[in-house]
Amino acid sequence: GAVVSQHPSWVICKSGTSVKIECRSLDFQATTMFWYRQFPKQSLMLMATSNEGSKATYEQGVEKDKFLINHASLTLSTLTVTSAHPEDSSFYICSANGAGGSIGYNEQFFGPGTRLTVL
Amino acid sequence: AQSVAQPEDQVNVAEGNPLTVKCTYSVSGNPYLFWYVQYPNRGLQFLLKYITGDNLVKGSYGFEAEFNKSQTSFHLKKPSALVSDSALYFCAGGDSGTYKYIFGTGTRLKVLA
Repeated sequence: GAVVSQHPSWVICKSGTSVKIECRSLDFQATTMFWYRQFPKQSLMLMATSNEGSKATYEQGVEKDKFLINHASLTLSTLTVTSAHPEDSSFYICSANGAGGSIGYNEQFFGPGTRLTVL
Repeated sequence: AQSVAQPEDQVNVAEGNPLTVKCTYSVSGNPYLFWYVQYPNRGLQFLLKYITGDNLVKGSYGFEAEFNKSQTSFHLKKPSALVSDSALYFCAGGDSGTYKYIFGTGTRLKVLA
């Protein structure tokens, strides 16, 4: 249980194009999903919190017009990198918030990540 | 401000020896603490968590961690390291209000044959 998938697992695109990454909770419903970005040999940086049916909450310094997040259902959140540039190349990881069997606390379940390379 | 610290960028240990990867935290309220492992170009794999209960938490692949409230630590341990344990390890603290995670900077574990 508590499986989160991401699609695609890797993508290469040309500078100026837009790329959409999907995050799905496969066997549970997640009212909240999180999007992270990880640079090589660095930690995960939280980009935004995605809540089903409402606007995402972005962390300080993250451009909301650059990284569009849509959480249209309880099992799907998407991250669209608009007008991608080489500096957007990174590893993007999503997580879904769900009951982990611990009373009173939901925990995050992580997707396998998406490697984006912008040429 | 809430924070999670992993003071060591890298830990080297000989195969068969015990290993410890350190983590200290500063979070408000009851701490919810997690350890994850990441292999190259892969996502995070859950190892173990502390939510409440016993201070010694046992997790996947023979790992365990001890929650120490007085020292605000949650060090990851394994009695006998394997070469296959070589990877990047992240400690994370959870905020009980927002469910956000605060990640440490990661510690690269290298187990030498």
